[in-house]
Amino acid sequence: DTEVTQTPKHLVMGMTNKKSLKCEQHMGHRAMYWYKQKAKKPPELMFVYSYEKLSINESVPSRFSPECPNSSLLNLHLHALQPEDSALYLCASSQVPETGHTDTQYFGPGTRLTVL
Amino acid sequence: SQQGEEDPQALSIQEGENATMNCSYKTSINNLQWYRQNSGRGLVHLILIRSNEREKHSGRLRVTLDTSKKSSSLLITASRAADTASYFCATDAYNNQGGKLIFGQGTELSVKP
Repeated sequence: DTEVTQTPKHLVMGMTNKKSLKCEQHMGHRAMYWYKQKAKKPPELMFVYSYEKLSINESVPSRFSPECPNSSLLNLHLHALQPEDSALYLCASSQVPETGHTDTQYFGPGTRLTVL
Repeated sequence: SQQGEEDPQALSIQEGENATMNCSYKTSINNLQWYRQNSGRGLVHLILIRSNEREKHSGRLRVTLDTSKKSSSLLITASRAADTASYFCATDAYNNQGGKLIFGQGTELSVKP
């Protein structure tokens, strides 16, 4: 199984709402990632988890709160978002890269988020 | 600024023609990867080339890497309408935090039947 699943596919939320994005993989990968992608732009890394511990936070605002409850699941909790946070949110997984290296990343289909 | 820059930004060709996309980067790398993204969907990994490799093939794809020029190219031969997508190169910096990929701006390829 080389699939990364993400739910929901689409999400519309108000600026005062609290919602969560979910990501799951069963490839035995111990590195998982959240990316944000605006239209016609490349993905931008937000967070990296390695062995269920947060290893990289790219200075993401605290209204985005990641969580890795186990080796297969990755959540992104959203609270008090702004309209400019509307984007495609992509989850990915990979083998844990060696120090200073990267490995092939497997991406989910993404969650299209709209903040009103 | 972004590690990888790609050109052209957009490319339109006829089915059966070859498509070449270029990627340039700024710092030393361990490897360079190419990904494809269909409209509004997730990215699909195409090929990974290591810094000590110069050329790599996978089916109709050929990737070259020139570390002296800090550049890479992706060639798709005998293109098909199904190849229509955005193509991104992604690099890791030589001493980066493990797992951090930096994506180029992408090339939007349109293959007309």
